[in-house]
Amino acid sequence: NAGVTQTPKFQVLKTGQSMTLQCAQDMNHEYMSWYRQDPGMGLRLIHYSVGAGITDQGEVPNGYNVSRSTTEDFPLRLLSAAPSQTSVYFCASSYRWTENQRNTIYFGEGSWLTVV
Amino acid sequence: AQKVTQAQTEISVVEKEDVTLDCVYETRDTTYYLFWYKQPPSGELVFLIRRNSFDEQNEISGRYSWNFQKSTSSFNFTITASQVVDSAVYFCALRTNNNDMRFGAGTRLTVKP
Repeated sequence: NAGVTQTPKFQVLKTGQSMTLQCAQDMNHEYMSWYRQDPGMGLRLIHYSVGAGITDQGEVPNGYNVSRSTTEDFPLRLLSAAPSQTSVYFCASSYRWTENQRNTIYFGEGSWLTVV
Repeated sequence: AQKVTQAQTEISVVEKEDVTLDCVYETRDTTYYLFWYKQPPSGELVFLIRRNSFDEQNEISGRYSWNFQKSTSSFNFTITASQVVDSAVYFCALRTNNNDMRFGAGTRLTVKP
């Protein structure tokens, strides 16, 4: 019963490097998303996906790319890391919105990223 | 546009005191969900409660209770007889049917022994 799994948990990057944060879920959720958490700003939505092959931008998409080739996986790519991307990143998943039930979002444990 | 405001940045109480965390939200949607999450020092986000926009009944779960009032767009969270283990950052969140989920900035609660 893994839930939402994020890797790596900690990463230090140099400015200009690229990397991918991995996210996988085993609950057959259609909806997956990435958030970043910065002090005093809560969680802000970067990108989200409502199913395989479908992605969309959230509040703060610049500097990040995503793809959704399978239902289970939703990787987040930093193309050219900048110090402003130093943050804690959370992946989340849930069933697609319905008016009845199942709108709870499940979060991974977070990935701490430092860009120097 | 959706917005969640948690006006209290930090709250400090002494163990066994009651404490209320405020949450005010904005949305034009008539159907939406409200959530509270707890983030302990270890960093993970722990789901506490979900409330839909059609259900204004208050809820009590052990020492936790929630007061949802659509008239004031508020969804406040009360911890009764607080304990040191309640120390965490608490987030209020709003989800609407465009699959956008907005969070407040969080309230850091410190419970001192």
